[in-house]
Amino acid sequence: KQEVTQIPAALSVPEGENLVLNCSFTDSAIYNLQWFRQDPGKGLTSLLLIQSSQREQTSGRLNASLDKSSGRSTLYIAASQPGDSATYLCAVSLRSGAGSYQLTFGKGTKLSVIP
Amino acid sequence: EAQVTQNPRYLITVTGKKLTVTCSQNMNHEYMSWYRQDPGLGLRQIYYSMNVEVTDKGDVPEGYKVSRKEKRNFPLILESPSPNQTSLYFCASTGALHTDTQYFGPGTRLTVL
Repeated sequence: KQEVTQIPAALSVPEGENLVLNCSFTDSAIYNLQWFRQDPGKGLTSLLLIQSSQREQTSGRLNASLDKSSGRSTLYIAASQPGDSATYLCAVSLRSGAGSYQLTFGKGTKLSVIP
Repeated sequence: EAQVTQNPRYLITVTGKKLTVTCSQNMNHEYMSWYRQDPGLGLRQIYYSMNVEVTDKGDVPEGYKVSRKEKRNFPLILESPSPNQTSLYFCASTGALHTDTQYFGPGTRLTVL
């Protein structure tokens, strides 16, 4: 069974610092990996999606990388801002059979950016 | 505006009283899914649907039912809710399996007394 782990569970950084969030998964037979942001009391917002054939995706100050063979992904946030404070979740879509639509989520990293 | 809507947003009920949480998307997506989120356990998939009249179990389907009679709607039914179903529930949809992002609804906070 696919397991997704995110380390650290919580992270506090001063404003302006660059930071890296980590995600690891146990089964490398994935279709894609996605990073989401969740604000308190809100739903999830998609940040980046990396296909299994890709190595990285970038959007603004965010860069996500994927190393499928080692079962790892990182989310790099440049020049962090207080507005980046949220919980960040990664999720993998597993190749568990034809036509399956199953996502497995990590438990998230709660990020606090201190002004 | 492209969105996934859920109703109600908050619900307090009692054990055994049947309830339905509605989910609707306006993006003509084929794929829809329900998740529950619990502290320490993260997000877990309950059921998903690949198209109208096509549904399948996720990781934690016990105690839940779903139906997909129309493409835009995917209601979650709790026939006899129990306190262990107290949770935050999310509906999501996607247009292209494995290549498109997931769009999530705002969540429904359910408390079963």
